[in-house]
Amino acid sequence: SAVISQKPSRDICQRGTSLTIQCQVDSQVTMMFWYRQQPGQSLTLIATANQGSEATYESGFVIDKFPISRPNLTFSTLTVSNMSPEDSSIYLCSVEPRGGELFFGEGSRLTVL
Amino acid sequence: AQSVTQPDIHITVSEGASLELRCNYSYGATPYLFWYVQSPGQGLQLLLKYFSGDTLVQGIKGFEAEFKRSQSSFNLRKPSVHWSDAAEYFCAVGGGGRRALTFGSGTRLQVQP
Repeated sequence: SAVISQKPSRDICQRGTSLTIQCQVDSQVTMMFWYRQQPGQSLTLIATANQGSEATYESGFVIDKFPISRPNLTFSTLTVSNMSPEDSSIYLCSVEPRGGELFFGEGSRLTVL
Repeated sequence: AQSVTQPDIHITVSEGASLELRCNYSYGATPYLFWYVQSPGQGLQLLLKYFSGDTLVQGIKGFEAEFKRSQSSFNLRKPSVHWSDAAEYFCAVGGGGRRALTFGSGTRLQVQP
């Protein structure tokens, strides 16, 4: 298994500001994934982050809005830029240490006023 | 493209009653299938998974699921529900070259005393 820590666990932000979410894993993993869960909704994949390469974004998500860093095999950050109330969501980091199963952090609950 | 459908948005059962949550998937090859549970304010916890082999899989907390290829289904069952099972349940599909998972819209389970 993998233990994933996310910071912050929750935050309240003002419109137009940016917030960086950190994800730390207790083991080295090749692939990390960032998901968004809007209120009352399911999980939507934002991007896949591999160490040493640019993140791969899903349709509807762009690097300018959600820049991602992946400096090593245990850490990643997701920034939500120029926030609006529509960005209020839970942002989840996940990893696949082996064989197709994803492990999730507890998420970062973001509220934009 | 892969997709997951959970037809039931909300289900209410009495404590001690049996439970079945429906999941249908669309995938071109043999899928990897998962059920996750999310309690309020918590991250996602894996209940069980199917990769291959026996089509009836056992998971944690007394849950089981059956893969039926002919019906493209992976329904989750529990013979006797406990009040602590109240949560949101997500079915997910993955496999092939895509390492991230695609999630269904979720089913919210309410347990009546």
